[in-house]
Amino acid sequence: QVQLQESGPGLVKPSETLSLTCTVSGGSVSSYYWSWIRQPPGKGLEWIGYVFYSGSTDYNPSLKSRVTISIDTSKNQFSLKLSSVTAADTAVYYCARREGSYGSFDYWGQGTLVTVSS
Amino acid sequence: EIVLTQSPGTLSLSPGERATLSCRASQSISSSYLAWYQQKPGQAPRLLIYGASSRATGIPDRFSGSGSGTDFTLTISRLEPEDFAVYYCQQYGGSPRYTFGQGTKLEI
Repeated sequence: QVQLQESGPGLVKPSETLSLTCTVSGGSVSSYYWSWIRQPPGKGLEWIGYVFYSGSTDYNPSLKSRVTISIDTSKNQFSLKLSSVTAADTAVYYCARREGSYGSFDYWGQGTLVTVSS
Repeated sequence: EIVLTQSPGTLSLSPGERATLSCRASQSISSSYLAWYQQKPGQAPRLLIYGASSRATGIPDRFSGSGSGTDFTLTISRLEPEDFAVYYCQQYGGSPRYTFGQGTKLEI
């Protein structure tokens, strides 16, 4: 059974960089597309971007200038960096796997709340 | 950007009743790329339906999806107490690559 686990600081200061890592167990990152998705408190879901095992990426245009997603196949992990954060970036951040052919997300991490505050 | 609009915003029903949730896209999307998720408080979303009508692994057959083009529907035939949650539709293929609807809250 594939499992995903987010890790990283729960509190980030405004203007700093948010950094999270997703560790995948029970399967290899060396296939599939791996995404980050966020959910502000009480609101809906927003796709941030994905990384393919080859290292290719795609980002939400609304966040593209501030986002970097990378993958480390040797550690079976992928990571998110979001720069110049503001309070609007406060959210639960999920990592997720896109299944092969239909563009849906079949495995999710439990999510981690990141609060942007001084 | 492909915008997904879900209706109603809140649906109040009782166990045993039938629930019909709607997801309308701002432009036509391939049925292969429409999914539905269930989210309970404090939990990650769970994939229910992919390809507009295929149930994900382990999903009970009281959940069904249908639709094409711009109009898609999630039906729960007989509500169980554990089905009361928020439901999201999601599309793949536009720009941004993935977008979600704003959600429908199914409440008792």
